[in-house]
Amino acid sequence: GAGVSQSPSNKVTEKGKDVELRCDPISGHTALYWYRQRLGQGLEFLIYFQGNSAPDKSGLPSDRFSAERTGESVSTLTIQRTQQEDSAVYLCASSLAGRTGNSPLHFGNGTRLTVT
Amino acid sequence: AQKITQTQPGMFVQEKEAVTLDCTYDTSDPSYGLFWYKQPSSGEMIFLIYQGSYDQQNATEGRYSLNFQKARKSANLVISASQLGDSAMYFCAMRDPYNFNKFYFGSGTKLNVKP
Repeated sequence: GAGVSQSPSNKVTEKGKDVELRCDPISGHTALYWYRQRLGQGLEFLIYFQGNSAPDKSGLPSDRFSAERTGESVSTLTIQRTQQEDSAVYLCASSLAGRTGNSPLHFGNGTRLTVT
Repeated sequence: AQKITQTQPGMFVQEKEAVTLDCTYDTSDPSYGLFWYKQPSSGEMIFLIYQGSYDQQNATEGRYSLNFQKARKSANLVISASQLGDSAMYFCAMRDPYNFNKFYFGSGTKLNVKP
């Protein structure tokens, strides 16, 4: 079946502009995550959605970052007034949530954001 | 707070030999899950193997196995018969036992397989 789809795959933007990144999870996956990965670094948790529950926004680095998800479908991550430090790969993942302890995260191929 | 530590930034292994990638974790909860992911240079994150804290046996998936030592809080990934295609970053991750849908990732180990 189809995996997690992210678009665009690459985005170059000027400092100060807003960008919107999109993630289409695997059908039936109620949990959706956004992570940031700077060059050569590990994964930094940004935000997590679970069904219609309030999202866990504890990883968002500043109020310039926001994300939305409608139900169990597509999510968008918006970065306002981009800064050069926002340059990174933004990874989206989805999983079967709930009490299934061994459900792994399924990742998209990421959006590589470059802020010039 | 939960924590995952991968102490090997980079590793080399000769093709066809076995290699162990280290991962230690820190949690005070007896129930948790551990995952390993592979990230090739193309960037996608590929799930490899899972170990539950109550699993009686070490997890195995093809050439991947986990050396799970609960008392030492370590979950090392063993790759047998290394192949050139195994060259990649490898990340260890733990599911948060208190927030079941939250994962913590280590900083990763870059594995290079030499021909």
